[in-house]
Amino acid sequence: GDSVTQTEGQVALSEEDFLTIHCNYSASGYPTLFWYVQYPGEGPQLLFRASRDKEKGSSRGFEATYDKGTTSFHLRKASVQESDSAVYYCALSAGFASALTFGSGTKVIPCLP
Amino acid sequence: EAAVTQSPRSKVAVTGGKVTLSCHQTNNHDYMYWYRQDTGHGLRLIHYSYVADSTEKGDIPDGYKASRPSQENFSLILELASLSQTAVYFCASSDGDWGNYAEQFFGPGTRLTVL
Repeated sequence: GDSVTQTEGQVALSEEDFLTIHCNYSASGYPTLFWYVQYPGEGPQLLFRASRDKEKGSSRGFEATYDKGTTSFHLRKASVQESDSAVYYCALSAGFASALTFGSGTKVIPCLP
Repeated sequence: EAAVTQSPRSKVAVTGGKVTLSCHQTNNHDYMYWYRQDTGHGLRLIHYSYVADSTEKGDIPDGYKASRPSQENFSLILELASLSQTAVYFCASSDGDWGNYAEQFFGPGTRLTVL
């Protein structure tokens, strides 16, 4: 079946550091890829998505490029801020009813430099 | 104004008891979903529905039933709650016209503890 593998656990980094969260997927067909963000006490919310090879999705300074060759959709941000503290999920949709397959989630913890 | 609401927001249940989690959406969406969230597993699909009075099994349906009495409401039922069903449960809705590109809108979650 479909699966998503992303950087596990948590990433602690100094504010203004460069952030990368790796995401690789396995799916039949041509999935749409998503990044969702979840703040404490809330449900996940869409950060952005991409549906074609080499398409770049972006929002709030975050970006990721759909790469069908390496089956990847890595999340990057040039300068992380305290307000980026959250759990980030990579996900895909490839089947009937648009159900999502999620990665395990990565908690981002910005620290004062 | 929240478009997907869940009740209760938290619940403590006893092993072997019946639990019903409710979800209500005002998005006018055809598709609704139930996911459970566990540390280290992300969110996993339990049941979904694309039309009222019909439900479908997701990836981890064992021990759960679902009910969709109307377009707006979708319930998750645990007939015999077990310790392993302690988790946070999320309901979501999406617009079927967008296919796999559809954004899902999530509720705030229900924290279920089975003792």
